[in-house]
Amino acid sequence: GIQVEQSPPDLILQEGANSTLRCNFSDSVNNLQWFHQNPWGQLINLFYIPSGTKQNGRLSATTVATERYSLLYISSSQTTDSGVYFCAVGSSGGGFKTIFGAGTRLFVKA
Amino acid sequence: DTAVSQTPKYLVTQMGNDKSIKCEQNLGHDTMYWYKQDSKKFLKIMFSYNNKELIINETVPNRFSPKSPDKAHLNLHINSLELGDSAVYFCASTTRSGNTIYFGEGSWLTVV
Repeated sequence: GIQVEQSPPDLILQEGANSTLRCNFSDSVNNLQWFHQNPWGQLINLFYIPSGTKQNGRLSATTVATERYSLLYISSSQTTDSGVYFCAVGSSGGGFKTIFGAGTRLFVKA
Repeated sequence: DTAVSQTPKYLVTQMGNDKSIKCEQNLGHDTMYWYKQDSKKFLKIMFSYNNKELIINETVPNRFSPKSPDKAHLNLHINSLELGDSAVYFCASTTRSGNTIYFGEGSWLTVV
């Protein structure tokens, strides 16, 4: 099945800094999403982005499907950005099976 | 108005007991899932139902039995609970096209 790798596994930022999180996947996908899990455990969908670029406030994401990677950009980070960021992918051959990467654990210091 | 709701949120039980977690979504989605998140935060799919039919059943012990009485509900029953079943169980739903997945708040299961 599809393999999903996220990097870096852990990241510590000073408030106000920018960062880029990466997601590599091993096969073609028709579905790619980024999620944020806050310190209380809640999973929030950030982007549905199987290809192209999207922006939402300080967050933006880019997926280059032909090269099998996606990037999540966080600008001017805030302490509330802390948590775990997951990339999740699904393929047309996998039915409705969405596979999650291991996540990037982000801590933003005040 | 909660889109995907799970109950109970917290559950502490003894080894060998049987327990159920219930999930309901009011988004009109056709597909629902159960995911398990372990202590290292790794999220693994367990089951997926589409219009009440089981379409994905990962390598989950048969002590775990999902049931979908209708497309808005997906329950998870666990028999003979073991210590290793301690985890957070997330219910989720999505449209038929597999677009944006919406998660419930999770059910924290602790087996002692």
